[in-house]
Amino acid sequence: AQSVSQHNHHVILSEAASLELGCNYSYGGTVNLFWYVQYPGQHLQLLLKYFSGDPLVKGIKGFEAEFIKSKFSFNLRKPSVQWSDTAEYFCAVNARSGNTPLVFGKGTRLSVIA
Amino acid sequence: GAVVSQHPSRVICKSGTSVKIECRSLDFQATTMFWYRQFPKQSLMLMATSNEGSKATYEQGVEKDKFLINHASLTLSTLTVTSAHPEDSSFYICSARSQGGEKLFFGSGTQLSVL
Repeated sequence: AQSVSQHNHHVILSEAASLELGCNYSYGGTVNLFWYVQYPGQHLQLLLKYFSGDPLVKGIKGFEAEFIKSKFSFNLRKPSVQWSDTAEYFCAVNARSGNTPLVFGKGTRLSVIA
Repeated sequence: GAVVSQHPSRVICKSGTSVKIECRSLDFQATTMFWYRQFPKQSLMLMATSNEGSKATYEQGVEKDKFLINHASLTLSTLTVTSAHPEDSSFYICSARSQGGEKLFFGSGTQLSVL
């Protein structure tokens, strides 16, 4: 079975700082990888996803993530965060084959301060 | 783009009543829908997988008689919380997978509060 580990429970950054949120997964087969964001009081939104091809994936709002297969990692990055990026971020994975649900990490809360 | 509509967005009910939550795929056919539950400050937990026309598959620890799931058509799945109790208060969210298999879309969630 898959599992997802997000290393940081809560990250606090100043505006314009660079962001990197860690995500590691465990699964022996081929996977699809996702990052979701949940802004306060709102539902989950997809930031970006990786299915195949270029391991550097660009998403919405200036976010990107890099799939490093050898490290089973899919870290989320943003060069310069804004106050509006304050949210909960979830990494998720599902097996490429079969009809499998997403397995989510525990989430990382990002607080951006002025 | 594809949209999943979840209704209601918020419900407050008395202990012992039943609550039905609907999840609709508006512009695509969803052969599979997933129901998640999110406790405050915790991650989403998969409750069950619902395939159109067949019985739902429940995760370990989820009471199938309490959380009734019906997926009668390719565009609608419902979750009924029967005889709700305060400990059932939570955020419930559905997601739907298109027939192609790779795309997964989320509903906007339902905040259930049981008094």
